[in-house]
Amino acid sequence: SQQGEEDPQALSIQEGENATMNCSYKTSINNLQWYRQNSGRGLVHLILIRSNEREKHSGRLRVTLDTSKKSSSLLITASRAADTASYFCATDAGAAGNKLTFGGGTRVLVKP
Amino acid sequence: EAGVAQSPRYKIIEKRQSVAFWCNPISGHATLYWYQQILGQGPKLLIQFQNNGVVDDSQLPKDRFSAERLKGVDSTLKIQPAKLEDSAVYLCASSLSYWSSNSPLHFGNGTRLTVT
Repeated sequence: SQQGEEDPQALSIQEGENATMNCSYKTSINNLQWYRQNSGRGLVHLILIRSNEREKHSGRLRVTLDTSKKSSSLLITASRAADTASYFCATDAGAAGNKLTFGGGTRVLVKP
Repeated sequence: EAGVAQSPRYKIIEKRQSVAFWCNPISGHATLYWYQQILGQGPKLLIQFQNNGVVDDSQLPKDRFSAERLKGVDSTLKIQPAKLEDSAVYLCASSLSYWSSNSPLHFGNGTRLTVT
């Protein structure tokens, strides 16, 4: 079973709008990572947030983490057509922090 | 910095045939991973190496899948014999640190396998 589950499974927005996707997980974590995957390509690391952090920014990306609710969100502001991709959260297995488990992903379509 | 190299890019085989994939990680990355990604799903870890030793192969179907990382650098993943359900993208990734939760994974573009 997957540790992280993204919601929604798919998202369609207009260029310039914000996109928000969520990740819920089941067991305690040390860190949570977000990755992007363009069609036909490998995954690209976006951001890592540690369990003692609540919010992190990187350019147009904003990630929040709520360990009490076991959830994280990824916000892409002022979306562009180039942001069209699948986005995955990845969580470590708590004590076994050397193993990352990926969720099923959110497929984002940004329409020009 | 050169990225993770994988070959071939695409492979089509018939069921019961064998196939091998190759991966060359980023120079200096001690940890190497093979993931299987079925269409529409997230990547699933098959095997993780630290240098040339196996750290985790708990989800590797060992009756048909095998992997090796000789000399602690590049790696090959083999499937023999292939089944229809093996159709997927096989992604190789590497990281600097053993602790993947602390260190980002760098992925190759994968090998898309179709089993007919």
